[in-house]
Amino acid sequence: SQQGEEDPQALSIQEGENATMNCSYKTSINNLQWYRQNSGRGLVHLILIRSNEREKHSGRLRVTLDTSKKSSSLLITASRAADTASYFCATAMNSGYSTLTFGKGTMLLVSP
Amino acid sequence: DGGITQSPKYLFRKEGQNVTLSCEQNLNHDAMYWYRQDPGQGLRLIYYSQIVNDFQKGDIAEGYSVSREKKESFPLTVTSAQKNPTAFYLCASSKGGLAQFFGPGTRLTVL
Repeated sequence: SQQGEEDPQALSIQEGENATMNCSYKTSINNLQWYRQNSGRGLVHLILIRSNEREKHSGRLRVTLDTSKKSSSLLITASRAADTASYFCATAMNSGYSTLTFGKGTMLLVSP
Repeated sequence: DGGITQSPKYLFRKEGQNVTLSCEQNLNHDAMYWYRQDPGQGLRLIYYSQIVNDFQKGDIAEGYSVSREKKESFPLTVTSAQKNPTAFYLCASSKGGLAQFFGPGTRLTVL
């Protein structure tokens, strides 16, 4: 069964707007990661947040993690057409070598 | 130029045939993974390997087999026992089990 569930399934915005995607999961985790996938390509790692962290930034990306609610959000500020992609959250239950469990993703369309 | 490569990009298989998908990495990563992605879906783990000559089944291993004879290589064989093999297959690697680096994928179609 899939651990993470992203919301919304699809999001359409204009360039310059902010995009927020949410991820909920069911069991305790060690860390949560966000990945981007352009159509027909491999995934690209964006950011990792550990269970003892609440917020993390990387460029125009801001990730929050609320372990009490078992949820995370990914905010992309000042979106660009090049941000058009599917975004997946993935959870790792253990530290060290741990497999990831992926959600079904949010498809983001940024229109010029 | 470090990275992870997969070949071929597109693969067509007749029913009843076994096919092998290649995955090579020169990132010196210990762990390697195979995922399957169906349209509009997330990734599902097929097999993974943390060290050479050792591998474990993932969530959907039935109908697939792997080997890990070299650190750099983790080929996946889709056997005739896999009843619905048409999908996009992604290979990934990681060091220390954290962020995974993905290859470009192989799209397998059964004719």
